[in-house]
Amino acid sequence: EAGVVQSPRYKIIEKKQPVAFWCNPISGHNTLYWYLQNLGQGPELLIRYENEEAVDDSQLPKDRFSAERLKGVDSTLKIQPAELGDSAVYLCASSLSSRGAGELFFGEGSRLTVL
Amino acid sequence: QKEVEQDPGPLSVPEGAIVSLNCTYSNSAFQYFMWYRQYSRKGPELLMYTYSSGNKEDGRFTAQVDKSSKYISLFIRDSQPSDSATYLCAMTSYGNKLVFGAGTILRVKS
Repeated sequence: EAGVVQSPRYKIIEKKQPVAFWCNPISGHNTLYWYLQNLGQGPELLIRYENEEAVDDSQLPKDRFSAERLKGVDSTLKIQPAELGDSAVYLCASSLSSRGAGELFFGEGSRLTVL
Repeated sequence: QKEVEQDPGPLSVPEGAIVSLNCTYSNSAFQYFMWYRQYSRKGPELLMYTYSSGNKEDGRFTAQVDKSSKYISLFIRDSQPSDSATYLCAMTSYGNKLVFGAGTILRVKS
């Protein structure tokens, strides 16, 4: 069974440029998460989707970050414009359900460097 | 003060040693406790999952939860070089977001 797929794995951009990350969750997983992981830190939740609905986006900086999950499957996370402090790893995860505390399956992450 | 505190290490041990990794937390509502392992440039993967207080054993790994002290531990017996990774504790309450510790870097020397 394929795991969570993310692309691109690495991205280097100049500040003020836009960037987008794509995630394909495990088939059948209704819940999709985007996490931010800074160097030496644990993942921090940016947004959680239940099917197409964003049910928790309280930590998403909405002035420059946006996300969508069309048809309840793939998801895209966008940053526009990027700032130096956005350099980090963006992790996508999926789970069967967010009720209780089901196992999260993570992708390998998209590593962003903003110059 | 962070909700979950975890010593970042690095922790360096010889092969075959018993490793103890720990986290403390402040939110008494947490009920589900997990340990994730993250290899370099990879995503975290679930290692152990415990509900409420008590112990859970899986092969060389044992997870302990002491809710009265708000303290959780992961023990690794007969540590191997392949155990070298970052270990992240994580916890949550029903229906809420998972909160991660900062992770402890473990290095097992052969």
